[in-house]
Amino acid sequence: ETAVFQTPNYHVTQVGNEVSFNCKQTLGHDTMYWYKQDSKKLLKIMFSYNNKQLIVNETVPRRFSPQSSDKAHLNLRIKSVEPEDSAVYLCASSFGTKNTLYFGAGTRLSVL
Amino acid sequence: GEKVEQHESTLSVREGDSAVINCTYTDTASSYFPWYKQEAGKSLHFVIDIRSNVDRKQSQRLTVLLDKKAKRFSLHITATQPEDSAIYFCAASLASSSFSKLVFGQGTSLSVVP
Repeated sequence: ETAVFQTPNYHVTQVGNEVSFNCKQTLGHDTMYWYKQDSKKLLKIMFSYNNKQLIVNETVPRRFSPQSSDKAHLNLRIKSVEPEDSAVYLCASSFGTKNTLYFGAGTRLSVL
Repeated sequence: GEKVEQHESTLSVREGDSAVINCTYTDTASSYFPWYKQEAGKSLHFVIDIRSNVDRKQSQRLTVLLDKKAKRFSLHITATQPEDSAIYFCAASLASSSFSKLVFGQGTSLSVVP
């Protein structure tokens, strides 16, 4: 049963454009994450919010910025996309910071 | 920081046989080790985990073994079925008082052949 919802499913854009991805969870969790999965399926954490506060901010380019309006929402904005940003962006949530992650279906970004 | 390595990038077994996927980690302070499964075209979902206070955990056909001395843990799947075919990711994290983030292995693509 899907409880972490991501939009859009796919997005195709050109270099230099701005994109935004949305994520909402209905599980009542207090922690949300953005992971990037590249073409080789490697998973890397980008950001994490706990109770609307940023608690993990990995070394990602400054053009990436997370936005959290409340515990149930965590969006990701990319200011000026680059070709290497092409990937699947996975949103996840958990209760607390040390428990099972529930992943959304992902947003596949293609940068032309 | 923590690094997690999955030794097999691909694994093929016959239906009904057992499959074993191995992972190693580098940080001795890591204490939480989950496994996730990603079926073709789908997202990840949790399958089983183990914490460092035990060295074995079983859930139906899945067993996780943890060897803290060797910094190694493994996923054992018995009586494999075609629906077990997927990419399996192991992960590790610290269990300190502050936030701990999961570090994932590279994934092992398991194929269960009829």
